[in-house]
Amino acid sequence: GDSVTQMEGPVTLSEEAFLTINCTYTATGYPSLFWYVQYPGEGLQLLLKATKADDKGSNKGFEATYRKETTSFHLEKGSVQVSDSAVYFCALSDPNFGNEKLTFGTGTRLTIIP
Amino acid sequence: EAQVTQNPRYLITVTGKKLTVTCSQNMNHEYMSWYRQDPGLGLRQIYYSMNVEVTDKGDVPEGYKVSRKEKRNFPLILESPSPNQTSLYFCASSLWGSNQPQHFGDGTRLSIL
Repeated sequence: GDSVTQMEGPVTLSEEAFLTINCTYTATGYPSLFWYVQYPGEGLQLLLKATKADDKGSNKGFEATYRKETTSFHLEKGSVQVSDSAVYFCALSDPNFGNEKLTFGTGTRLTIIP
Repeated sequence: EAQVTQNPRYLITVTGKKLTVTCSQNMNHEYMSWYRQDPGLGLRQIYYSMNVEVTDKGDVPEGYKVSRKEKRNFPLILESPSPNQTSLYFCASSLWGSNQPQHFGDGTRLSIL
């Protein structure tokens, strides 16, 4: 079945550092890929998405490119801020075979120190 | 305000005592789903619903029931809760499917003693 493998955390960075959180996936069809963010005490919010190979999703300075050849969707940001501290989840949807499940990775906790 | 509302937010109960967690959305969304979040396991989908009277199993449906009698409501039912169902639960909805942006509720923390 479909699966998402995400970089183990926690990740601690200094403010203005470069961020990469790795995400790879396994899917039978042509999935849509997502990054969601969870701030403390809240539900998840969509950060960005990509629906086909070579698409780049971007939002709030974060970017991720859908790489079909490496089955990856790594999250990057050039200069992180303290306010980016949160848990980040990679997810995939593969509805092409009538299956409307949504599969999440285990999450990566990010802490940014001033 | 567009939102997904879950109740209760916190519940401590005992093994075997039936409970229901309600979920309601005001965005006229077709797709609704339930997840549990556990340390080291991330979010796992319990059930989802494509529309009224249409529900399907996610990855961890054992021990749970759902119903979708109205478009806006999607309650999660634990008929005989057990301690391994202690978790943080989230309801979510989207316009029409799993590949649409999901709107999440604020979560329900359940403790089963």
